[in-house]
Order: sequence, then C-alpha cells, then structure tokens
Amino acid sequence: DTAVSQTPKYLVTQMGNDKSIKCEQNLGHDTMYWYKQDSKKFLKIMFSYNNKELIINETVPNRFSPKSPDKAHLNLHINSLELGDSAVYFCASSPGSLNTEAFFGQGTRLTVV
Amino acid sequence: QKEVEQNSGPLSVPEGAIASLNCTYSDRGSQSFFWYRQYSGKSPELIMSIYSNGDKEDGRFTAQLNKASQYVSLLIRDSQPSDSATYLCAVRNTGGFKTIFGAGTRLFVKA
Repeated sequence: DTAVSQTPKYLVTQMGNDKSIKCEQNLGHDTMYWYKQDSKKFLKIMFSYNNKELIINETVPNRFSPKSPDKAHLNLHINSLELGDSAVYFCASSPGSLNTEAFFGQGTRLTVV
Repeated sequence: QKEVEQNSGPLSVPEGAIASLNCTYSDRGSQSFFWYRQYSGKSPELIMSIYSNGDKEDGRFTAQLNKASQYVSLLIRDSQPSDSATYLCAVRNTGGFKTIFGAGTRLFVKA
C-alpha cells in the first residue's frame, strides 16, 4: 500500500531516446509534483499540478512533458534524452493547501549514456 | 540570492551532542516551513513542519522559526549515528503550490 509509487526505479538509456516515468498516489491528494535531484543532491522543482491542471512549470525544456490523466497520476515523458538529463527524478504529492508537507515517491534514477 | 540557503556542510558532531542546522529564505511572504531528512539513495522524508514564529519540539527534534529574520533552524538533541543523513530545508512559496528546497546539509554523527 505504497503512498506514492514511481516506475521504473532505474532507467538506463541512450542519448536521443524517448522515455517515460509513471507516478501514482493513493493518498487522495490534489497536488502532485515532479522534482529533479542532480549529482550534487540539489532537489529542484520541475512541475506542479493541482487537480490535473498545470500550475507551475519551472522553465523546464519542452523536451519534458508532464501528463496528468487524473489527479492520482502524474507521468513524465522526456524526448530526445541528453546526457545532462541524468539525475534522480522524484514524484511527490500533497493535499494542496499551504500547511501541508509533500510526500515523495522512491525516485527514478535515470542514466543517459 | 538563492531562494532557500543552507550550509552544505558536512557538519560533524559526536554521538550525544546537539546538532544545529540552519536555513535562510528569500520569499518574505512564505508561510510554511519544513525539514526533511534524506538518507543516501532514498527519498526525502518529513522530520518537522513549522508555521509560526518560535520553537516547535517533537522528541529529539526542535524547529525554530524567525520570520522577521527569514531564518529557520533544526536542532537535534542527543544525536545518534542513525541521524547521519542530508537534512533539507524546504519552504512553501506564497502561492502555496511550490515547495522550494535548499541544497541540504550533510550531517555526520560519530559514534
């Protein structure tokens, strides 16, 4: 009964490929996020969705396209992968109001070779 | 100026000592503040949340908030080797839909 689950956990792919990461939360939260954690461990927000609507896009290249088919799912598709995309990608969710924390998935370690 | 700043460390303390972790933020309108702990290879997990000025205690952890100084801190009393991790300060922005993280402080507790 994992609260926020991501698949796959590891992803190794070649430059130029297209890949997707899936995320699902069973907490009934309204808000979902994608974060990128680089090799220096800096956790940077990429996208925020509230009730399936895109709220925040932090100047992420348009090769990254999030999709939220319903408020329990937020997937991330990446086109034309580059070496610099190698990182750990975390999905998270929160109830959406101000005074609530985010719950994180286990992360997807993406390696582009 | 970074939106959320932390000393990257590493901070090394002996077992049983008090570890003090500090954080400053730039958005004066921020209302919600969080400390997360992240073990190597794992996802961040919430340690403390604080919303009003002053201290908030939970077991061995105390969070302190000073909105006038835009400063948040986390004290860990009776530090244990199992507390060795990276501690992330996080601030929810004024609009409420973005939680911004600091770069994290690595803490080592020596047995």
